[in-house]
Amino acid sequence: AQKITQTQPGMFVQEKEAVTLDCTYDTSDQSYGLFWYKQPSSGEMIFLIYQGSYDEQNATEGRYSLNFQKARKSANLVISASQLGDSAMYFCAMREGEGQAGTALIFGKGTTLSVSS
Amino acid sequence: EPEVTQTPSHQVTQMGQEVILRCVPISNHLYFYWYRQILGQKVEFLVSFYNNEISEKSEIFDDQFSVERPDGSNFTLKIRSTKLEDSAMYFCASSEARGLSYEQYFGPGTRLTVT
Repeated sequence: AQKITQTQPGMFVQEKEAVTLDCTYDTSDQSYGLFWYKQPSSGEMIFLIYQGSYDEQNATEGRYSLNFQKARKSANLVISASQLGDSAMYFCAMREGEGQAGTALIFGKGTTLSVSS
Repeated sequence: EPEVTQTPSHQVTQMGQEVILRCVPISNHLYFYWYRQILGQKVEFLVSFYNNEISEKSEIFDDQFSVERPDGSNFTLKIRSTKLEDSAMYFCASSEARGLSYEQYFGPGTRLTVT
């Protein structure tokens, strides 16, 4: 079974609009962390935002916010006021197990976001 | 801002040859990782490294792969006898400490092409 599922292979949005990128996860651990990374066409992986399983409030970082619904096991990324530079591949990822050294990030297949003017 | 660096940016090699991919993690980070991304696919974990030993590895990380921290700054991934299916982007990452909230900072990647 997939640990991280991103059901939207591609999303299209106009500049200045908000967009939500979906992510659902599967884990039996009580402690886990959820991450979103951006991968522009140049290839590098850029960390965007983190949400811990015990965090009661949704994480926010500038124009990025994470809509965390623990009971539904979803961790959707919301980008407000989209910009042309937001066009990229977006990956949702999870780490399981508090306190374990070197715990791997498990990635979803990604969503390609295209922002048009 | 400190960053993870990787060299080379692109490596072309023939099948069966050995390659070494190099990474310089962020200087105060203690945990190091290698991931790979086959073109158009998701990023996959290979190995994590702490205190001069492997702390976790995936099924992909078989006997053909090895990692080393040869000095105080470099972290290397060696593929002993490359196969066509090893063609991928290889990312090095590092993190400051253990704990879920410590994000892994990724390098720009090395694109490995095996012909």
